[in-house]
Amino acid sequence: AQSVTQLGSHVSVSEGALVLLRCNYSSSVPPYLFWYVQYPNQGLQLLLKYTSAATLVKGINGFEAEFKKSETSFHLTKPSAHMSDAAEYFCAVSVGGGATNKLIFGTGTLLAVQP
Amino acid sequence: GAVVSQHPSRVICKSGTSVKIECRSLDFQATTMFWYRQFPKKSLMLMATSNEGSKATYEQGVEKDKFLINHASLTLSTLTVTSAHPEDSSFYICSASSPGPTTIGYTFGSGTRLTVV
Repeated sequence: AQSVTQLGSHVSVSEGALVLLRCNYSSSVPPYLFWYVQYPNQGLQLLLKYTSAATLVKGINGFEAEFKKSETSFHLTKPSAHMSDAAEYFCAVSVGGGATNKLIFGTGTLLAVQP
Repeated sequence: GAVVSQHPSRVICKSGTSVKIECRSLDFQATTMFWYRQFPKKSLMLMATSNEGSKATYEQGVEKDKFLINHASLTLSTLTVTSAHPEDSSFYICSASSPGPTTIGYTFGSGTRLTVV
C-alpha cells in the first residue's frame, strides 16, 4: 500500500533562510508524488509534482523537490524563505501510480517564517 | 489553468438538517472527483471517489447514507451531508481530475467549512 510520512509537524525558519520540508514515501509501484500548500481556510494549491520524468522537479514560488528512489524521499526545498511562505504543506502519493488515482496525504508540516 | 469552484465556502446548519456542497470544474471535464474531510490541524482524509455517471466508491468507515455523493455530469459533483450532527462539523474539500495525455492531475476546490449547531 502507498503512504507518505512527513517528518516534523512544525518547522520554523527565519526569513531568507533555507526551507527544507521532509517527505518519505512507500509505494509498491513507481509513485507519482505531489507537494501541496494550504493557507488557512482555503483549499490546496499544487506546488509541484513528480511523474517519473526528471528527478529534480521545479515548482511555483521558488520551490523544488528531488525524487530519490534509493532514499524513498521527496523533500521540498526553497533557498530563501519569504514571510508569505508561512502555511501548511502536504506531501501526497498517488495510489496506483497513476495521475488520476486517489491521493494519499501525509500529516502535513506547518511552516512558520520568522522575521 | 484548471479551476474547481466549490460552494458554499461556509455554512452553518441546525442539527438534523441536510446540507449540500457543490463542486464544479469550470474549464475542463472532470471524469473523476474526490471528496475529502479535514479536521482542525489534521491532514485530509479521503471520503469517497466518484466517477461521472456511476456510484461513488466510499472509503472504509465512511457512512454512505450520511454522505451522499452525486456526479451526474462531467462538471458537477455534489456532497450532501444528511441529518447533520455537530460531529459532522468539519472542512470539506473536493478535488477533480481528468485523464488523458495532458492530464491535469488534481485540482482542489477552496473548501467548505461546515458548522452544525
